[in-house]
Amino acid sequence: DSGVTQTPKHLITATGQRVTLRCSPRSGDLSVYWYQQSLDQGLQFLIQYYNGEERAKGNILERFSAQQFPDLHSELNLSSLELGDSALYFCASSEGRLETQYFGPGTRLLVL
Amino acid sequence: SQQGEEDPQALSIQEGENATMNCSYKTSINNLQWYRQNSGRGLVHLILIRSNEREKHSGRLRVTLDTSKKSSSLLITASRAADTASYFCATDATPSGGGADGLTFGKGTHLIIQP
Repeated sequence: DSGVTQTPKHLITATGQRVTLRCSPRSGDLSVYWYQQSLDQGLQFLIQYYNGEERAKGNILERFSAQQFPDLHSELNLSSLELGDSALYFCASSEGRLETQYFGPGTRLLVL
Repeated sequence: SQQGEEDPQALSIQEGENATMNCSYKTSINNLQWYRQNSGRGLVHLILIRSNEREKHSGRLRVTLDTSKKSSSLLITASRAADTASYFCATDATPSGGGADGLTFGKGTHLIIQP
């Protein structure tokens, strides 16, 4: 158990819909990262927050957004969902920059 | 393209044998991390090696880093059936360089340990 929690574990929705994925980092970790894992693209970094502020952006689509709240939990919002958004979405956290990133169990999203 | 590229893509060995996986990357890094993923599950962190380190051990794992060749290797000794998983290397640099906090992953090596 990495100490990073993610909810829900599974999510099934329809195209065009909007969903919110939630992540609670390890106690004391200020950085939260979101990743997407799909069969064709592999593991891709989406976005990072550090202590409530956006720190870095990766291959995140404009339809996707995230935020980190004062209690350091984070949410990833995916809107106007398409079939191709079906993937595993992981959250990771770390104490600081360039440190070990600990991954949560992931949320498996299926868009029908 | 991926920053890290693992080699081989798949590896099947007998239980008790050693397994070696390699990773190559393209730009300067601050550190390199290895992760394990069991089928469709979360990523388990194995080891982090910094750019100024050449070798690191953790239990049955041995990781080497050669920054001049931009490559790393993961050795699992005395393999067990429970080691069956996909193994990924991840670097902290973006493919275009400059450094970023998000990790860039390779496509992974799928390791199968035959009992």
